[in-house]
Amino acid sequence: GQNIDQPTEMTATEGAIVQINCTYQTSGFNGLFWYQQHAGEAPTFLSYNVLDGLEEKGRFSSFLSRSKGYSYLLLKELQMKDSASYLCAVTDSNYQLIWGAGTKLIIKP
Amino acid sequence: ETGVTQTPRHLVMGMTNKKSLKCEQHLGHNAMYWYKQSAKKPLELMFVYNFKEQTENNSVPSRFSPECPNSSHLFLHLHTLQPEDSALYLCASSQGRGDSYEQYFGPGTRLTVT
Repeated sequence: GQNIDQPTEMTATEGAIVQINCTYQTSGFNGLFWYQQHAGEAPTFLSYNVLDGLEEKGRFSSFLSRSKGYSYLLLKELQMKDSASYLCAVTDSNYQLIWGAGTKLIIKP
Repeated sequence: ETGVTQTPRHLVMGMTNKKSLKCEQHLGHNAMYWYKQSAKKPLELMFVYNFKEQTENNSVPSRFSPECPNSSHLFLHLHTLQPEDSALYLCASSQGRGDSYEQYFGPGTRLTVT
């Protein structure tokens, strides 16, 4: 079966760095997305990786290793507004998006 | 504001009621999606429309009936629902139905079935 694994919840301190991991087992791979979802709001797009390596976008970076079926989202200089759920999703060989259950990130002052 | 609107934002309905959820996108996208989001579970893709044609129906019970009259509007008709259908229903759109197209989500309809 197809599976996306992410930690259920993480806690970090304001101003610090946090890494949210995602591992996947899917039938084929055509790209990996990270979305942010604040409580009671819609998910919003953060990043897309299809090739191995690190993609940097401001305070957020996303890394992909296709051979390991692994990605992480790195958040630097954490702010209180970064408290949210972070969703990992993989496009499989049929171009269907397979979603993880999300990681709830709690930022403490 | 993502350019995708959904109404109503909250809905409480009995198991014998019939109601409809509406989604509209103002982004000129060609693909639209219905998702179900339950607490602590992955997003469940329900239906996909590409250029107004339904391309996927992921084994969704017939008590959920989608309608896509044009590329900007998507409906989800609900009838004789069960309490386990209570969830957040999200609509999304994307430029196309391909591997790299990001999806834009609406704010969702919080549905409670009593």
